[in-house]
Amino acid sequence: KQEVTQIPAALSVPEGENLVLNCSFTDSAIYNLQWFRQDPGKGLTSLLLIQSSQREQTSGRLNASLDKSSGRSTLYIAASQPGDSATYLCAVTVGGYQKVTFGTGTKLQVIP
Amino acid sequence: KAGVTQTPRYLIKTRGQQVTLSCSPISGHRSVSWYQQTPGQGLQFLFEYFSETQRNKGNFPGRFSGRQFSNSRSEMNVSTLELGDSALYLCASSLLGQQNTEAFFGQGTRLTVV
Repeated sequence: KQEVTQIPAALSVPEGENLVLNCSFTDSAIYNLQWFRQDPGKGLTSLLLIQSSQREQTSGRLNASLDKSSGRSTLYIAASQPGDSATYLCAVTVGGYQKVTFGTGTKLQVIP
Repeated sequence: KAGVTQTPRYLIKTRGQQVTLSCSPISGHRSVSWYQQTPGQGLQFLFEYFSETQRNKGNFPGRFSGRQFSNSRSEMNVSTLELGDSALYLCASSLLGQQNTEAFFGQGTRLTVV
């Protein structure tokens, strides 16, 4: 059974800092990994999708990496802003089954 | 391009009742997945529909069911509601399924069972 863990569960940083969020998964036979952000009481916003054949993806101040062999992904946020405050979730899709397993989330607070 | 639309946004139901939630995916997307989100369990996969067929199902009781129409709109039904069914229900739309393509989520339906 695929298990996805995100560390830390919560993080508070001053504005302008660069930060890294971690995502670990137990079954490396994934098809892709997607990072989302969720604002309180809202749906999920897709940030980055990394296919299993890729090592990283970038979008603006965000960079996500994937290391399937070690079962890890990181989301790097450069020059953090208060608007980045949200819960960040990673999700992995297991090949052939369309089942998606979400991580436990990291709640980020960026202090002005 | 319109996003994923879920209706209603909020619902209050009584134990024992049933409820139907609706999800309209992004135009052209054929896959719709449903998730339940609670503070204790996080986001859990319910089921996924593709071209009107259920392709996969999570570990939920038979009280949870769904269907997809020819226009890709999907409905989720929960019968005999229990207090523990109170949650945010999210649907995700993708072109071919999350195995292959990016998923986009709706704002969710907040269900409260009293």
